[in-house]
Amino acid sequence: AQSVTQPDIHITVSEGASLELRCNYSYGATPYLFWYVQSPGQGLQLLLKYFSGDTLVQGIKGFEAEFKRSQSSFNLRKPSVHWSDAAEYFCAVGANDYKLSFGAGTTVTVRA
Amino acid sequence: ETGVTQTPRHLVMGMTNKKSLKCEQHLGHNAMYWYKQSAKKPLELMFVYNFKEQTENNSVPSRFSPECPNSSHLFLHLHTLQPEDSALYLCASSQDWASGILYEQYFGPGTRLTVT
Repeated sequence: AQSVTQPDIHITVSEGASLELRCNYSYGATPYLFWYVQSPGQGLQLLLKYFSGDTLVQGIKGFEAEFKRSQSSFNLRKPSVHWSDAAEYFCAVGANDYKLSFGAGTTVTVRA
Repeated sequence: ETGVTQTPRHLVMGMTNKKSLKCEQHLGHNAMYWYKQSAKKPLELMFVYNFKEQTENNSVPSRFSPECPNSSHLFLHLHTLQPEDSALYLCASSQDWASGILYEQYFGPGTRLTVT
């Protein structure tokens, strides 16, 4: 079965600074990878996904993620964060059925 | 309405009450899911329905009873809950996986459940 680790529980970043959130997965084959964002009191919104092809994936809200098979990683990045990016971010991995395994999440705080 | 909607958004119930959570998706999907989200824990998959048929019951206690009358609606019936059942309950939908492709799931805003 697949699993996901998000090593950082909480990250604080200044507005305008860059952001990188780490995600490591465990799965024997090429996985399906997702990043979701959850604002307070809301459900999860899909930021981006990787199925195959180009290992650098562009998503919504200026986010991108890079799949590195050799490191079993799928890290999320944003060059310049905005105060509205303060939220909780979840990495998820899946195989070729319906089961998604989610990480425990990383909370991002943006300071002015 | 667009996307995935859930009602009610907040629910407080006693341990002897019976209540139901409702989810509706307007995306034309065939698969629907219930998840439990507790603080600082990964999302826990509870139930999965594909074309109205239940395909997953992830060892969920019988005090939670799902119902899927059609591909657009999903219910979670609750009875004799425990305080540890207090959590955010999220509904999601996706295209089905019959083609062997895993499609992304779209989530509703959740129901914040408090059991007193």
